[in-house]
Amino acid sequence: DVKVTQSSRYLVKRTGEKVFLECVQDMDHENMFWYRQDPGLGLRLIYFSYDVKMKEKGDIPEGYSVSREKKERFSLILESASTNQTSMYLCASSNTLVPQTQYFGPGTRLLVL
Amino acid sequence: KQEVTQIPAALSVPEGENLVLNCSFTDSAIYNLQWFRQDPGKGLTSLLLIQSSQREQTSGRLNASLDKSSGRSTLYIAASQPGDSATYLCAVSGGATNKLIFGTGTLLAVQP
Repeated sequence: DVKVTQSSRYLVKRTGEKVFLECVQDMDHENMFWYRQDPGLGLRLIYFSYDVKMKEKGDIPEGYSVSREKKERFSLILESASTNQTSMYLCASSNTLVPQTQYFGPGTRLLVL
Repeated sequence: KQEVTQIPAALSVPEGENLVLNCSFTDSAIYNLQWFRQDPGKGLTSLLLIQSSQREQTSGRLNASLDKSSGRSTLYIAASQPGDSATYLCAVSGGATNKLIFGTGTLLAVQP
């Protein structure tokens, strides 16, 4: 079975802190994604990556950056956390471009105070 | 810009009922449509994926249909059980990338 893990289930940070969210997949998937999920807005794509050291902006990249130094790991970085970045963050991976199924991690619930 | 809508936002049914969840999308040029399940505080689990050339997919008590021309999909759950209680999300994939556009979900509660 595909396994996607995220470094933390719950995280509390202060405004202005630099925050790292880590995601690791164990199935040698090429594609990895970061989403945030907010009530009434659904899941929105922040960034995605099709290969090592490759990244593309999603629909809401402002205030975020990403890093993919190794194929299995995709990191989301909040350069200076703000309260409007309080959200549920979900990582996903997939192994083909189209058609495909994305496999999701359990999510990280981030609270920025 | 593709928009995905799910109605109703919440649904409560007694155990044993058959039910239908609805998903509509504005741009019919999709590659595929997926239905996901999300339990409270958890990630998403893929239930069914329908290719753009297909009309429906079945898995156990679940049946998903796709009508691309009208921009609609339904998820039919037969003989509902309390364990089916969760949020159900649909997502469409369009264009040459793997990007998914999600609806806001339907929160289903099956009462024992």
